[in-house]
Amino acid sequence: DTAVSQTPKYLVTQMGNDKSIKCEQNLGHDTMYWYKQDSKKFLKIMFSYNNKELIINETVPNRFSPKSPDKAHLNLHINSLELGDSAVYFCASSQDLRPRRKTQYFGPGTRLLVL
Amino acid sequence: SQQGEEDPQALSIQEGENATMNCSYKTSINNLQWYRQNSGRGLVHLILIRSNEREKHSGRLRVTLDTSKKSSSLLITASRAADTASYFCATVREGGSEKLVFGKGTKLTVNP
Repeated sequence: DTAVSQTPKYLVTQMGNDKSIKCEQNLGHDTMYWYKQDSKKFLKIMFSYNNKELIINETVPNRFSPKSPDKAHLNLHINSLELGDSAVYFCASSQDLRPRRKTQYFGPGTRLLVL
Repeated sequence: SQQGEEDPQALSIQEGENATMNCSYKTSINNLQWYRQNSGRGLVHLILIRSNEREKHSGRLRVTLDTSKKSSSLLITASRAADTASYFCATVREGGSEKLVFGKGTKLTVNP
């Protein structure tokens, strides 16, 4: 049983297109995250939601819009894709926001390639 | 700027040897965590050490934390080829924002 799942696993698209990545967790966690991992393996947080409420919004272009229909789902929509958006996007969840409960569970990643 | 910095960036050892990876950070923390990432996969949590703890063990893993030096180390004893992966430290800032801040990672290769 997959704890945190993401779809699609691979996404190849043209510049200027709009695409979405979906994430679901079946752990009953309150908090979900989106991370971007670049080609140098640097992992940077993009967004965090707690019980469907936006908690963290790092300096991310507004072409990126997260949506949380319920606390088990956090989707990421990207408008007008650019070459620099090519990366691996990871979804993660944690039990809640309390620091000692911030152990995070990661999805397998979505490899986005913008041509 | 980035919170955690691991060193070395890459480490290659023989099976059976011990592997030590270090992490330094810049601000006061609530806890520090280590994660492993196998090639092409998501990160997997290994161990969490709180700011009031100095050492923690989990199986073949030993983590130390020195808050005076703002550094942590991860020791993997009796390494196996299956330990080949990238290892990341991540910190939760004390009294700060809710996010987990990751370092750049150490790429460990264990040769059979």
